[in-house]
Amino acid sequence: GQQVMQIPQYQHVQEGEDFTTYCNSSTTLSNIQWYKQRPGGHPVFLIQLVKSGEVKKQKRLTFQFGEAKKNSSLHITATQTTDVGTYFCAGRRWVQFYFGTGTSLTVIP
Amino acid sequence: NAGVTQTPKFRVLKTGQSMTLLCAQDMNHEYMYWYRQDPGMGLRLIHYSVGEGTTAKGEVPDGYNVSRLKKQNFLLGLESAAPSQTSVYFCASRPGTTENTEAFFGQGTRLTVV
Repeated sequence: GQQVMQIPQYQHVQEGEDFTTYCNSSTTLSNIQWYKQRPGGHPVFLIQLVKSGEVKKQKRLTFQFGEAKKNSSLHITATQTTDVGTYFCAGRRWVQFYFGTGTSLTVIP
Repeated sequence: NAGVTQTPKFRVLKTGQSMTLLCAQDMNHEYMYWYRQDPGMGLRLIHYSVGEGTTAKGEVPDGYNVSRLKKQNFLLGLESAAPSQTSVYFCASRPGTTENTEAFFGQGTRLTVV
């Protein structure tokens, strides 16, 4: 079954509002990666977290890896229309990456 | 810089027909993957390869076969297509030299089985 779950599945926000997606794994992960997929496009790598409790920022995006290395979150501050897309987390076990179910973000202008 | 190229981009098959999806990468990557993407299911791993001549099963391998005869190519075959295999298929590759490397995805193949 699905080893990495994400919530929520869909999120609609007004432009300027914040957005958060959560990723949860049933097992401990070696690392976690985040990808963004624009509508009609393919997943594109955003960032990777490796250490327990690690926090990384990319402009308005903040990524966090849980202390137990079983969960992660992506927070976007003051969303813009360019943030529209589906955000996936991907947890690594051995050479395989297990992708989460994704969160589809719609930003209403 | 082509990156990861998938062919074809679109295909309609009749139930029972066979086809092969081709993935080619020009980055000399060791690891290659085939995923399928369905609404609400995210990306599910079908098969993967850690090097030329090697393949392994992922989460949902049934109904698919793969081959990695050349390092740059990873083929996904459907021997007898079924409507449940209607999906968008993505190929990805990444270097095998270190553990923590990003995956590069192809543009996807949209397959419809009628």
